[in-house]
Amino acid sequence: GNSVTQMEGPVTLSEEAFLTINCTYTATGYPSLFWYVQYPGEGLQLLLKATKADDKGSNKGFEATYRKETTSFHLEKGSVQVSDSAVYFCAFKTGNQFYFGTGTSLTVIP
Amino acid sequence: EPEVTQTPSHQVTQMGQEVILRCVPISNHLYFYWYRQILGQKVEFLVSFYNNEISEKSEIFDDQFSVERPDGSNFTLKIRSTKLEDSAMYFCASSVDSNYGYTFGSGTRLTVV
Repeated sequence: GNSVTQMEGPVTLSEEAFLTINCTYTATGYPSLFWYVQYPGEGLQLLLKATKADDKGSNKGFEATYRKETTSFHLEKGSVQVSDSAVYFCAFKTGNQFYFGTGTSLTVIP
Repeated sequence: EPEVTQTPSHQVTQMGQEVILRCVPISNHLYFYWYRQILGQKVEFLVSFYNNEISEKSEIFDDQFSVERPDGSNFTLKIRSTKLEDSAMYFCASSVDSNYGYTFGSGTRLTVV
């Protein structure tokens, strides 16, 4: 069935460190892929998305590339900031429904 | 930027009681959704709503659950007789159409005691 598997947290990094959060998915067809972010006390916000194979989504220094061959959509950022501390959710959409991963909590320390 | 507003942010209720979670979607959006996240688990789809009727629902959305758009602005989720396992964060979302990105609310944390 449809599912998303993402790296478990929590992840703690020092400011300016490199971030990778792994995400793989199982889906029928070719879904659109998303990363959502949830800052403390706020809702789920769309961070970036990719709609077809080899597309790269990017926003606020974060990037993720749609890899059909490995069914992956890993999130990366070259230099994290304290303000990036949040929970990150990998997701895909098929039909009218989203499927989310469990979320990865990131804490960036100065 | 337009927001989806959910109230209350946190609700505590006794097992067996009815609860209504409220959402105000973005005004020009036509599709409405409820998702939930049990602590430490995945965000799960509950139901989608369009044109004043349920368009899709998951296995979680059983007879204990109902949704309503009582007026032009609110979208509510009712749980008739809450169980301990209904404790979760409930997210409302809305979208302009079924293909466009959702906007999620900040969630209502429901605690059933």
